[in-house]
Amino acid sequence: SQTIHQWPATLVQPVGSPLSLECTVEGTSNPNLYWYRQAAGRGLQLLFYSVGIGQISSEVPQNLSASRPQDRQFILSSKKLLLSDSGFYLCAWKAPQNEKLFFGSGTQLSVL
Amino acid sequence: SQQGEEDPQALSIQEGENATMNCSYKTSINNLQWYRQNSGRGLVHLILIRSNEREKHSGRLRVTLDTSKKSSSLLITASRAADTASYFCATDGWNNYQLIWGAGTKLIIKP
Repeated sequence: SQTIHQWPATLVQPVGSPLSLECTVEGTSNPNLYWYRQAAGRGLQLLFYSVGIGQISSEVPQNLSASRPQDRQFILSSKKLLLSDSGFYLCAWKAPQNEKLFFGSGTQLSVL
Repeated sequence: SQQGEEDPQALSIQEGENATMNCSYKTSINNLQWYRQNSGRGLVHLILIRSNEREKHSGRLRVTLDTSKKSSSLLITASRAADTASYFCATDGWNNYQLIWGAGTKLIIKP
């Protein structure tokens, strides 16, 4: 069966520090991978998606970047965090031929 | 941009009552999905309804879709405390890769 792992669950970082959030999927191959951000009490904002290794599409201009070094690994990074980067970050995957999204458990990022 | 708009933004009902949430969207769709999110957790897929379907059931969930009004409703019957969560609708976007999300309805079931 397929599983998705996202870590860490909680992160407190100072302004200007780097960021690396990792997401891995097991039990499937060639998934579409997604990074979302959710502000408190709000809906989901798509940040990045990937349909294959090294293929990243960015939806929102910002100081975040994403990479997909392996088929089932998706990394969200920043060189210098801003206060506005605080939020709940969610990784998700779906099979290319399917519509259903599977989500990780999320990372609560607080930038202070 | 957010295509789906859920209504109401928040709903508080007694355990055992039925809960109805609505979702409106702006453009043509192939399908519409509903997801649930417990506080501080990831989203969980509940049900998908295709544009050629008008109603779909899954356990205590009933989803309707009216493509002429560009709206959908999610009915949860005989609500339980465990149904307390936020509920989101999502429509397929301009390509096969993205979903377009509403802001969600926060449902509170009072015991």
